[in-house]
Amino acid sequence: GQSLEQPSEVTAVEGAIVQINCTYQTSGFYGLSWYQQHDGGAPTFLSYNALDGLEETGRFSSFLSRSDSYGYLLLQELQMKDSASYFCAVKEEDKIIFGKGTRLHILP
Amino acid sequence: DTEVTQTPKHLVMGMTNKKSLKCEQHMGHRAMYWYKQKAKKPPELMFVYSYEKLSINESVPSRFSPECPNSSLLNLHLHALQPEDSALYLCASSQDPREYGYTFGSGTRLTVV
Repeated sequence: GQSLEQPSEVTAVEGAIVQINCTYQTSGFYGLSWYQQHDGGAPTFLSYNALDGLEETGRFSSFLSRSDSYGYLLLQELQMKDSASYFCAVKEEDKIIFGKGTRLHILP
Repeated sequence: DTEVTQTPKHLVMGMTNKKSLKCEQHMGHRAMYWYKQKAKKPPELMFVYSYEKLSINESVPSRFSPECPNSSLLNLHLHALQPEDSALYLCASSQDPREYGYTFGSGTRLTVV
């Protein structure tokens, strides 16, 4: 089976930087993705790491260490619109399995 | 067209009803998925269709019956549901099953009474 662990909630201040960690255990691992979901909305794909290292996409970066079964999502220059739930998700052969999600609260 | 469209957006059904959820995409994607999401929980995978064939059924009860009439359409037929089946049902698609970035629809909010 699979398990993914991420913090249930994180709070940060507008303009700051926040890191959301994810650890995983899975039988077949192809990569780690991150999705954003606003209340009442659909999950939106943010980033993907198949290999170790950092991937940067604008204000968002994602990191993976396969040897540590660990990854994180880094959000910079936080904006109020970044208030949402963030899910790490493990890519197995033909499917994606989501972690429990981290609710990000942003204070003005 | 870069969207996945789901209809209806909201559905209320009784436990003896039969209804269907519909999902459509015109991106040429060959993999389509059904997920179920309860409030404040992650999406849970139900079914995977790969090139119009059912490739994964995550031990979903038979009261949920998926169908893929063609490469653009995905249906979920519902029959004799229970109140605990009330949830947001999300459809997603990807270029193929190896693709890691899914495009999700906005979902159907289902209430079983």
